[in-house]
Amino acid sequence: DSGVTQTPKHLITATGQRVTLRCSPRSGDLSVYWYQQSLDQGLQFLIQYYNGEERAKGNILERFSAQQFPDLHSELNLSSLELGDSALYFCASSPTGTYLYEQYFGPGTRLTVT
Amino acid sequence: QKEVEQDPGPLSVPEGAIVSLNCTYSNSAFQYFMWYRQYSRKGPELLMYTYSSGNKEDGRFTAQVDKSSKYISLFIRDSQPSDSATYLCAIVTGGGNKLTFGTGTQLKVEL
Repeated sequence: DSGVTQTPKHLITATGQRVTLRCSPRSGDLSVYWYQQSLDQGLQFLIQYYNGEERAKGNILERFSAQQFPDLHSELNLSSLELGDSALYFCASSPTGTYLYEQYFGPGTRLTVT
Repeated sequence: QKEVEQDPGPLSVPEGAIVSLNCTYSNSAFQYFMWYRQYSRKGPELLMYTYSSGNKEDGRFTAQVDKSSKYISLFIRDSQPSDSATYLCAIVTGGGNKLTFGTGTQLKVEL
């Protein structure tokens, strides 16, 4: 158990809908990362937050947004969902966000868009 | 050209075999390299990281980096059925701001 929690574990929704994925980092970790893992694209970095501020951005679509709250938990919002958004979404956390190898991954949220 | 290329496998070996997993990368400026293990329905977990050419050993695992060839490898000695998982290489890219992962190699160690 990495200490990172993600809810929900599974989510099934229809095209066009909006969903929110939640991540609680390990105790004391200030940085949160979001990743998308699909069969054809592999594990893709979406976005990183550090202590409430956006620090780095990857291949995140404009329909997706994220935020990190004062208690350091983070939410990833996915809107206008398409079939291709079906994937595993992982959150990772690290103490400082400086050393990328220090990331600890959560168990993921499996999103199915029908 | 993808920044990181990895043979997806699947790779099936008998218990006790030496396993070699490989990745190539495109940018010679990359300096930090990682290997993750991902069991089915779990998040990736860090196995090893290295930032220099040469070998780094941790128990049955050895990470090797050849910067001249832009080639990284993970060797698993005395492989066990519990090593059956997907192995992902990862490289620090984007000016040091993000990890770029290979697509992963699925390994099965059979009794």
